[in-house]
Amino acid sequence: ETGVTQTPRHLVMGMTNKKSLKCEQHLGHNAMYWYKQSAKKPLELMFVYSLEERVENNSVPSRFSPECPNSSHLFLHLHTLQPEDSALYLCASSHGDYYNEQFFGPGTRLTVL
Amino acid sequence: QKEVEQNSGPLSVPEGAIASLNCTYSDRGSQSFFWYRQYSGKSPELIMSIYSNGDKEDGRFTAQLNKASQYVSLLIRDSQPSDSATYLCAVNPGSSNTGKLIFGQGTTLQVKP
Repeated sequence: ETGVTQTPRHLVMGMTNKKSLKCEQHLGHNAMYWYKQSAKKPLELMFVYSLEERVENNSVPSRFSPECPNSSHLFLHLHTLQPEDSALYLCASSHGDYYNEQFFGPGTRLTVL
Repeated sequence: QKEVEQNSGPLSVPEGAIASLNCTYSDRGSQSFFWYRQYSGKSPELIMSIYSNGDKEDGRFTAQLNKASQYVSLLIRDSQPSDSATYLCAVNPGSSNTGKLIFGQGTTLQVKP
């Protein structure tokens, strides 16, 4: 256990569904991240939140909508996804300082039908 | 040129041997460097971080950093079958003030009994 939890662990959704992924960190960190991991591709950074403010959005399609209500919680709202969005979605957190050691949650395996 | 490059492998070593994993990066201003281990179906686990030139040892793991050559490596001594995993190199680019990490595609290590 890294102190970062994610729910659900597995999600199957249709292209017209709306769902949300949840991440919670118990490490007292100030920064939280969403990553996408697809087969045969490097981890792709999607969003960065620092002190609850979104500080980076890596050209992610608008069908992905992040929300960070406080420094311990991070959501990823999903709507009208495409089959190519099927991947492992990983949440991470860090102190956001120079050392920036990021700790990952277990991930949500998403399948879009 | 990819920002962080790793040989995808697989790298196969016999049990008890030294495994050497290599990573190069393109941003000369990069400040912090990390190695993650990822078992199949699991999320990345931080195993080493290094911030200054030279070697850093932690148990059977040694990270080596050479900023002039833009090169970071991970040595695993006395390799065990349980070390079989994908090893991800991650770099905090100097151009970023958001704590983002850029990941390589990972090197798959196979340790054969």
